[in-house]
Amino acid sequence: GAVVSQHPSRVICKSGTSVKIECRSLDFQATTMFWYRQFPKQSLMLMATSNEGSKATYEQGVEKDKFLINHASLTLSTLTVTSAHPEDSSFYICSARLLGQEPSYNSPLHFGNGTRLTVT
Amino acid sequence: DQQVKQNSPSLSVQEGRISILNCDYTNSMFDYFLWYKKYPAEGPTFLISISSIKDKNEDGRFTVFLNKSAKHLSLHIVPSQPGDSAVYFCAASARVNYGGATNKLIFGTGTLLAVQP
Repeated sequence: GAVVSQHPSRVICKSGTSVKIECRSLDFQATTMFWYRQFPKQSLMLMATSNEGSKATYEQGVEKDKFLINHASLTLSTLTVTSAHPEDSSFYICSARLLGQEPSYNSPLHFGNGTRLTVT
Repeated sequence: DQQVKQNSPSLSVQEGRISILNCDYTNSMFDYFLWYKKYPAEGPTFLISISSIKDKNEDGRFTVFLNKSAKHLSLHIVPSQPGDSAVYFCAASARVNYGGATNKLIFGTGTLLAVQP
């Protein structure tokens, strides 16, 4: 099956530093990847849609200068949390659809295992 | 504005019995619905989906029912097994351009299912 690998699984960083999270599709190509964030006991909230070769589309209320997304290839998207603060501590999950899976709106997403970010 | 709602944060069921997880949505543009299962510290795993042109989809022990007029869907698991214990999310998407972007999945808040041996 389609596998999405996310790295690191857990990271602790100091306030003010930046953290990069990688999302890779291991056995398929993905033109579109999605970045979600989950607070404790809450839903998965879509942060942004990452498109290969173009700028990411951010959801309302998500600071694009703080959460930098780069989708440099069909198998890799990265999320960089810049100048992290304790309130950025959360569970970040990426997901992807198979390239060419149509219609894409009803194709299930394949999720990575998430990254637990703790900012001290 | 929570457009996909799961009003039961938790559910406890005996092994072998039926588990029924409910989900309500408010946006009539949603026309495709999915259920995901999630273990702690892992990403969600796709379980089953249903298109708005259907009212039922079955896959083994899992059946999803859709009531469009009520904007309600449910996931039935029968018989329930201890390994089914996890958080279950329902999600919805729309074919048309929605909120400025297509193909977005909107998730509910999840229901923690505990299947007791």
